[in-house]
Amino acid sequence: EPEVTQTPSHQVTQMGQEVILRCVPISNHLYFYWYRQILGQKVEFLVSFYNNEISEKSEIFDDQFSVERPDGSNFTLKIRSTKLEDSAMYFCASSEPQDAYNSPLHFGNGTRLTVT
Amino acid sequence: GQNIDQPTEMTATEGAIVQINCTYQTSGFNGLFWYQQHAGEAPTFLSYNVLDGLEEKGRFSSFLSRSKGYSYLLLKELQMKDSASYLCAVKTGGFKTIFGAGTRLFVKA
Repeated sequence: EPEVTQTPSHQVTQMGQEVILRCVPISNHLYFYWYRQILGQKVEFLVSFYNNEISEKSEIFDDQFSVERPDGSNFTLKIRSTKLEDSAMYFCASSEPQDAYNSPLHFGNGTRLTVT
Repeated sequence: GQNIDQPTEMTATEGAIVQINCTYQTSGFNGLFWYQQHAGEAPTFLSYNVLDGLEEKGRFSSFLSRSKGYSYLLLKELQMKDSASYLCAVKTGGFKTIFGAGTRLFVKA
């Protein structure tokens, strides 16, 4: 079964550094998302991406964050000037092209980001 | 505001039936999803409701009442491997799905 893949599985960075989290969505999916989950807390929506542009973003997704689809397969999340509170599991997800409204999210295994 | 409420924890016995409730208040509704999340892993899709009523899928069923802003997930013939968090999630108008905090289910022998 096709799956969403994320790299790296674990990233440790120092406060103030920039990180890029990478994702390869399922190949025929057209809707892409980033979510994060701080340890012990709920899964939080960051951003959705469709047709090479952001379609919706949350209050969390401020100027510190950006997303990009640099080629036909990768989808990246860049976090500039990381803060301690950015430490979390970051999940990439994608959903099927037909009827995006009722298509479930297919999640990758996540990147655990630790900011020290 | 957007709010999804579900119990924090539940405990049930192997072989039994458990019902996990979810109430929601969201600006926009395009369906309600249930996901399962084992500790340290990604959420995986269990069920979807957009119309009122019951959807059955093997040992799992999910119910929705849109007028009451209420859903439940029913798990039958519980197995030890069902010990996990169960996340209630609502797709609001547009592309966003928002999640409840999850219900941690412990299945005991």
